[in-house]
Amino acid sequence: DVQLVESGGGLVQPGGSLRLSCAASGFTFSNYWMSWVRQAPGKGLEWVANINQDGSEKYYLDSARGRFTISRDNAKNSLHLQMNSLRVEDTAVYYCATYGGRLPAVDWWGQGTLVTVSS
Amino acid sequence: DVQMTQSPSTLSASVGDRVTITCRASQSISNWLAWYQQKPGRAPKLLIYQASNLDGGVPSRFSGSGSETDFTLTISSLQPDDFATYYCQQYNSWSQFSFGPGTKVEIK
Repeated sequence: DVQLVESGGGLVQPGGSLRLSCAASGFTFSNYWMSWVRQAPGKGLEWVANINQDGSEKYYLDSARGRFTISRDNAKNSLHLQMNSLRVEDTAVYYCATYGGRLPAVDWWGQGTLVTVSS
Repeated sequence: DVQMTQSPSTLSASVGDRVTITCRASQSISNWLAWYQQKPGRAPKLLIYQASNLDGGVPSRFSGSGSETDFTLTISSLQPDDFATYYCQQYNSWSQFSFGPGTKVEIK
């Protein structure tokens, strides 16, 4: 079965850093674009970043560019999001997701990890 | 950047009602639009991709239509399991995906 399992969330102070990870299994991870999507408490979904199969293309939400870095390790079937200079407004559940697992869409999702930025 | 809008933001309906949610893109996205259902505490679930294609296992009472900038999600006969929040998402370019603000379907 396909599994995407996020980890690394927690409580961090404003200005701090956090590294999220997503462990993928049950499919050939290196074949797919991957995304991070977040959801602030009680709010809607917000796309954060995309990365292509070999990590040579990376794209970011404007407010994340320059602070967040998406990366992947295809040998370890893992996706990462390094988040620096965190702000209160970055508080959210962060989901990793796969594009094109079965269909031309973002179709496989993890269960999310909560990041809380607060003093 | 492509901005997405949805209407209504909240919809009150009864079991058996026909429900329509609209989604508009700020520029043409061809048919690169998906619809998701989300329930509290759960990850989004893909319902429809490429504007009108139903994901496998999704009940046939769900349908999607539209192209370019205007899209709709229709539930032909609302069932108790359908009370949830629905999001559209455009994925026209790898450089930017974006979601609509969501439509909460509530019990009337």
